[in-house]
Amino acid sequence: QSVLTQPPSVSAAPGQKVTISCSGSSSNIGNNYVSWYQQLPGTAPKLLIYDYNKRPSGIPDRFSGSKSGTSATLGITGLQTGDEADYYCGTWDSRLRIYVFGTGTKVTVL
Amino acid sequence: EVQLVESGGGLGQPGGSLRLSCAASGFTFSNYWMSWVRLAPGKGLEWVANIKQDGTEKFYVDSVKGRFTISRDSAKNSLYLQMNSLIVEDTAVYYCARSGDYSDFKYWGQGTLVTVSS
Repeated sequence: QSVLTQPPSVSAAPGQKVTISCSGSSSNIGNNYVSWYQQLPGTAPKLLIYDYNKRPSGIPDRFSGSKSGTSATLGITGLQTGDEADYYCGTWDSRLRIYVFGTGTKVTVL
Repeated sequence: EVQLVESGGGLGQPGGSLRLSCAASGFTFSNYWMSWVRLAPGKGLEWVANIKQDGTEKFYVDSVKGRFTISRDSAKNSLYLQMNSLIVEDTAVYYCARSGDYSDFKYWGQGTLVTVSS
């Protein structure tokens, strides 16, 4: 059972926007760097966001991240069919001394 | 180009052992923390363990403590995961990943499948 909670699924039509929340605590999101990952079926996870709002090179600005207190949010604008995937937040937990991933959110493009 | 290539997966018996390897190239291996992450069928990502650059610090998720051992060999640019006392719940695709400056994982291997079954 993960210490980071995400909604199981979100959906929207092509071109629309979705947001995915990630709720944690002061021992993880509240005081550590937050990353977001996209995992397409059968492939390795891909880093989308690091340090809660920075994008690695090659990641389009349709993907954005934010953080407030002990929660983080991933936003995807201009939704495309290729965005259908599972998305995970992740961060270090200073109390548990482990890296934790969120429960995962499946994005469906209607 | 950073490359991580896992090997060693396959079928393991409950109570048995497997050893996973991850060959790293394209970067100075000894400069980075390294991790193992797994994805079980129908489940979400689970971080398994990590190891410091010089191997002096290691951390494990509770579900594998006492059964799995992470290690590294900088001379061979390789990361390992010794998996003992395997249980059915260890069935998963195992990825090695390089840790970044912000505790992020930008580089991943392609994964190796471990199936634990009698």
